[in-house]
Amino acid sequence: EIVLMQSPGTLSLSPGERATLSCRASQSISSSSLAWYQQKIGQAPRLLIYGVSSRATGIPDRFSGSGSGTDFTLTISRLEPEDFAVYYCQHHVNPPPTWTFGQGTKVEIK
Amino acid sequence: QVQLQQSGPGLVEPSQTLSLTCAISGDSVSSTGIAWNWIRQSPSRGLEFLGRTYYRSKWYNDYALSVKNRVTINPDTSKNQFSLHLNSVTPEDTAVYYCAGGNSAFSTWGQGTLVTVSS
Repeated sequence: EIVLMQSPGTLSLSPGERATLSCRASQSISSSSLAWYQQKIGQAPRLLIYGVSSRATGIPDRFSGSGSGTDFTLTISRLEPEDFAVYYCQHHVNPPPTWTFGQGTKVEIK
Repeated sequence: QVQLQQSGPGLVEPSQTLSLTCAISGDSVSSTGIAWNWIRQSPSRGLEFLGRTYYRSKWYNDYALSVKNRVTINPDTSKNQFSLHLNSVTPEDTAVYYCAGGNSAFSTWGQGTLVTVSS
C-alpha cells in the first residue's frame, strides 16, 4: 500500500507570500493519479489540481502542481486571505482500485 | 453544474446500520463518464475512501478493503441518487461522511454528514 506523507504539518505565512507544500509517496507513482485538495473548516474538500499539474475548473492560476516519481509539490504563488486552509494530496491506483490521502498541511496566517 | 445533496441520520447505535443517501443534480447516476463515491473523514483516520458505484454498460462497485465486508453502495436510477449502507458500526465509524463524484480525483462533493455512533 502506498503511503503519502505531507510536509510540513503546518506552514505559517503572510498574505502575498509564496507557499510550497510537499507530498512524498512511499514508492513511485503514476503522474496521472496525483491530486490536491483544499479544505476550509466546516466545508468539504475542493479539488484544486489533478493529474499532478492540471487545474480543476475555476481554480486560480496562482495554484500550480508539479513533480514526478515520489515527490510532488503544490505551490501557491501569492497567498490570498482565502487561501489559508488545510491542503491534502491524494493518489489513485488500479488494480486494485485504491484511493489514498495524505494527512494534510495546514497553511495558517503568520 | 453538478451538485450533490446528502441526507440521513446523524446518530446511529452501535451494531446497527449506517445509511446515507446522496441526491444528484446536473448529472445522472447512470452517466458512463463518472463514478459516484463515498468518503469519510475523522481525526484518527483522516480522509478515507469507502467505495463507489458506476455504470459502464452495467453496474459496478468497488469497496475499500478496510470496510469491504460491511459496506454496500447502491444506485437508485428512479430518484437519480446513490446510497451508502455500513453495517455493524462501532464508535470507530464516527466521522463526517461525504459523497463525491469523480474517477481518479473527486471533482464534486456533497456537504458532508456528521455521523456519531453512540448509544
